[in-house]
Amino acid sequence: ETGVTQSPTHLIKTRGQQVTLRCSSQSGHNTVSWYQQALGQGPQFIFQYYREEENGRGNFPPRFSGLQFPNYSSELNVNALELNDSALYLCASSLAGGWEQYFGPGTRLTVT
Amino acid sequence: AQSVTQPDIHITVSEGASLELRCNYSYGATPYLFWYVQSPGQGLQLLLKYFSGDTLVQGIKGFEAEFKRSQSSFNLRKPSVHWSDAAEYFCAVRGGGADGLTFGKGTHLIIQP
Repeated sequence: ETGVTQSPTHLIKTRGQQVTLRCSSQSGHNTVSWYQQALGQGPQFIFQYYREEENGRGNFPPRFSGLQFPNYSSELNVNALELNDSALYLCASSLAGGWEQYFGPGTRLTVT
Repeated sequence: AQSVTQPDIHITVSEGASLELRCNYSYGATPYLFWYVQSPGQGLQLLLKYFSGDTLVQGIKGFEAEFKRSQSSFNLRKPSVHWSDAAEYFCAVRGGGADGLTFGKGTHLIIQP
């Protein structure tokens, strides 16, 4: 059974640019969530996708957007990057209606 | 809105000693509660969860946690820590529907030889 994988591992972008982060769900999981973890903080919920639709969102602006594909893989897109977008971005997958979320290793984004 | 408080930012424990990490939550209904562990540069690993039923739950790596509704607490315990337990520990709560997890700020566990 394959766990949650994320790519790339690290990324450096310039303020104002756009970035796309990718996630492959654990086998059999059809729900994916994204979290932002700033240095020294706990993860914060960005949004959740189920059946290719966003069905839950935390307190993040619209420049954070996502996609889920028929194979349940997912993308997180961030437009107009700001310095405080620098963080570890975590993807988590779960079964629909399941309460347990399984996390990937994360993508470390640095905005300069 | 739900919230989680982990009062201890850092805890230092000697190897072989017992451990208790504190977690208090705020949520209107019966919460779904979790403990995750994060090693440096890594993602989060689920240690244990509480949904309902027995208030003492067992997890992986010898950890257990006790749900106390009257105290709004879900403290994590381990009878004897190992050097490999040094990591960041996060308590989390989840409400209903498509809400994500709400995490505390974490407790950094240091193991002294």
